[in-house]
This record gives sequence, structure tokens and C-alpha cells, in this order.
Amino acid sequence: GAVVSQHPSRVICKSGTSVKIECRSLDFQATTMFWYRQFPKQSLMLMATSNEGSKATYEQGVEKDKFLINHASLTLSTLTVTSAHPEDSSFYICSASRFGPNNEQFFGPGTRLTVL
Amino acid sequence: AQTVTQSQPEMSVQEAETVTLSCTYDTSESDYYLFWYKQPPSRQMILVIRQEAYKQQNATENRFSVNFQKAAKSFSLKISDSQLGDAAMYFCAYRSAISYKYIFGTGTRLKVLA
Repeated sequence: GAVVSQHPSRVICKSGTSVKIECRSLDFQATTMFWYRQFPKQSLMLMATSNEGSKATYEQGVEKDKFLINHASLTLSTLTVTSAHPEDSSFYICSASRFGPNNEQFFGPGTRLTVL
Repeated sequence: AQTVTQSQPEMSVQEAETVTLSCTYDTSESDYYLFWYKQPPSRQMILVIRQEAYKQQNATENRFSVNFQKAAKSFSLKISDSQLGDAAMYFCAYRSAISYKYIFGTGTRLKVLA
């Protein structure tokens, strides 16, 4: 149990376009989902926390208008990178937590975004 | 603010041997959780082991065990009988019992030599 999927696994887009990444909890209801960004050979940095039915909470330095997060249901959160630029190229990982945020997070397989 | 430090960017171990990965952290909280995650080339984060700070007994999961020294704020991972499949990036992570946020260390790349 506790499987989290992400779609797509890889995406290449042109500069200026928007890209949507989906994060789904397949076999449990996730009241809280998290979005991380991982640069090459670096650690995971938390971008934002997404709670079902409410606005996401963004970490300091993360542009909320650029990284739109929606948690429309207990099994789906989406991250939309708006007006993408090459510097947005990165590996994006989501995780999901059962029974609220204070429990173990289960990670998705990640999405590699390349902006040309 | 809490911090997590992994001072070994890269480690190597011979197959079947034992290796220890280091992790130190800093916090003023008394209740928290510590984790070791493995990230293989597929980039999927896999939980290796977790430790609750209130537990004195060191966690063990098969070939993986930790040495949790709360006073020293140290949380090392020991991998026994290393296997080729253990080769990966290993991240140490801290989570406050109050806050939900994970704080990750910078990772240690483990190479297993045949």
C-alpha cells in the first residue's frame, strides 16, 4: 500500500509555455501533499504544502504565481509551472501523507522537466 | 531552525562488507523523527529506516541499522553485507513532531564494488 504516482515522468516544453504535473495517491486518501524540487546532485527542497480543499502553503522564496498548486481531491494534487523558463528545468517530486501532515510521507517517482 | 548535515558526499564499500553513513542534525526540539531514504538511479525515494527520538532503542530493518545518539545529535546508518543493489544516494531527513516539514541532508552517494 501507500503508492504515489506522478504524471508525466518526463516533459520537455518550450520557454514561455505552461506545464502541469499530476500527483496521485493510488491506494489511500492523502489529506496533505508536498511538492519538492531537486536540482542535479542536490537534495530535495520543499516548495509547498498542499491541503485538500484549501490554498497551498509556499516556502519562502517560492513564487506562488509561477508554481500553481491545486489539491482538488483527496487523491490528486497538481503543480503547474507557468511561463516556464530554462531555469525551471529540474526534477520535481511529490509526496503524500495520510491522516494529516504529521505522518510519514510517501514519495512519487518524480517528474523531470526540461525547458528549452 | 533545524539543519541536517551529511559530511560524506561519497562512500565506497566492497560487496558483502559493512559501511556506515554519517548524519548529524541540529534542533532545539525534544520530539522528532529521523529517517534514512534511498534514492536509486530511478530517482524514486525509498524509505530505508525511521527512528522516533523518544525511543532509546536503535531501529533495525534487516541489513540496515542506525546508531542514534540523541545527546550528540547523531544518526548514522549502518549497512551490513552490502549488495550491489544498495548503490544509491542516501538522504538523512529530520521531521519535527510539531511541524510536518521534512528537512533533508545533502546526501551521500554510496558505491558498491563487486
